[in-house]
Amino acid sequence: ETGVTQTPRHLVMGMTNKKSLKCEQHLGHNAMYWYKQSAKKPLELMFVYNFKEQTENNSVPSRFSPECPNSSHLFLHLHTLQPEDSALYLCASSQGTGRYEQYFGPGTRLTVT
Amino acid sequence: DQQVKQNSPSLSVQEGRISILNCDYTNSMFDYFLWYKKYPAEGPTFLISISSIKDKNEDGRFTVFLNKSAKHLSLHIVPSQPGDSAVYFCAADDGGTASKLTFGTGTRLQVTL
Repeated sequence: ETGVTQTPRHLVMGMTNKKSLKCEQHLGHNAMYWYKQSAKKPLELMFVYNFKEQTENNSVPSRFSPECPNSSHLFLHLHTLQPEDSALYLCASSQGTGRYEQYFGPGTRLTVT
Repeated sequence: DQQVKQNSPSLSVQEGRISILNCDYTNSMFDYFLWYKKYPAEGPTFLISISSIKDKNEDGRFTVFLNKSAKHLSLHIVPSQPGDSAVYFCAADDGGTASKLTFGTGTRLQVTL
């Protein structure tokens, strides 16, 4: 595997379910990000991790819970989501925070029913 | 309130001609700007960037122009090729330490034969 991978690519879940999104980067980067892209809206930054430490939480509801066990892996744990949380969730990584190019994964298309 | 705006949702250009994609921003703290390209079912990929100390940056067929007084930037693609057909996102960074990119909603470019 190369670059940034995300699993699953598609996920349908009910509002009472608990699921997790996984992101893995194979680039030796130290920073990882979660973004959300809703229909007709711009990409919104959700969380930033640098060297496994969360450095940014962009006022994200607690039903989204990130986890970064090491610099290569990032998870987004989902529980009791709402239909308006249906969106494309993108993971990205970069060499560090600051003026470094971010490399994106293909995203997970989440549908909450 | 959107701080980065791409007012043209779509653009169609003939192969060989120039494509011009526009982006406006409102936050005067933004000092670094990027363009990303996105193909269907893939994550955005970095294309070109410009710092606010410059007014032009060129990379092959791609040139980004920045007009700070107008808070406007544009991406020129010359000559346009069918493989350039994608969604183009403008993004801006306010120079903080967390690499918080603010994205526009994107412009879908179609290059026709």
